[in-house]
Amino acid sequence: TQLLEQSPQFLSIQEGENLTVYCNSSSVFSSLQWYRQEPGEGPVLLVTVVTGGEVKKLKRLTFQFGDARKDSSLHITAAQPGDTGLYLCAGDTGRRALTFGSGTRLQVQP
Amino acid sequence: ETGVTQTPRHLVMGMTNKKSLKCEQHLGHNAMYWYKQSAKKPLELMFVYSLEERVENNSVPSRFSPECPNSSHLFLHLHTLQPEDSALYLCASSRALAGGRNEQFFGPGTRLTVL
Repeated sequence: TQLLEQSPQFLSIQEGENLTVYCNSSSVFSSLQWYRQEPGEGPVLLVTVVTGGEVKKLKRLTFQFGDARKDSSLHITAAQPGDTGLYLCAGDTGRRALTFGSGTRLQVQP
Repeated sequence: ETGVTQTPRHLVMGMTNKKSLKCEQHLGHNAMYWYKQSAKKPLELMFVYSLEERVENNSVPSRFSPECPNSSHLFLHLHTLQPEDSALYLCASSRALAGGRNEQFFGPGTRLTVL
């Protein structure tokens, strides 16, 4: 069974602060995806990273795929209340369905 | 709006009831999925369909019965559920199962409560 561990599990910060969320595994993934889920809704895809060492930016969000394609990080600069939600990483082994991490629940206080 | 719709959004049922969850995708995708999301647990994959054929069943109890009549529709039939089955049931679709970029588009989910 492949496991994707996310840390921290919970994070409560003030508006304007920076934060980093980590996603780690002992398995190698052909790609890794990040989703954000808001209360009462399904997860929404934010980004897919494919190449080891790849860095992608989405406004204030920076995503990085580890060189060995086993881990990833999400960094948010100057967090805003609208960033509040559950952040999920998901790894694709290339065989079947994605493996999802347990999630990081982020609360940004105004 | 992700192009994946689910009905109903909320469902309360007794343990002896029979009900069905419906999912429809308008994205032209070939693969569809059912997930269960419980509090404090990772997303649990239940069933995977590719081109209307069930290709994965993750040891789900028989009281959950999926149906995929065509590539745009997916159902989850529920029968004699237990209170521990209360959860958010999410449907998702993707262009294909094959690896590389298996990007999934989720519906808003059905919040199920079993009394």
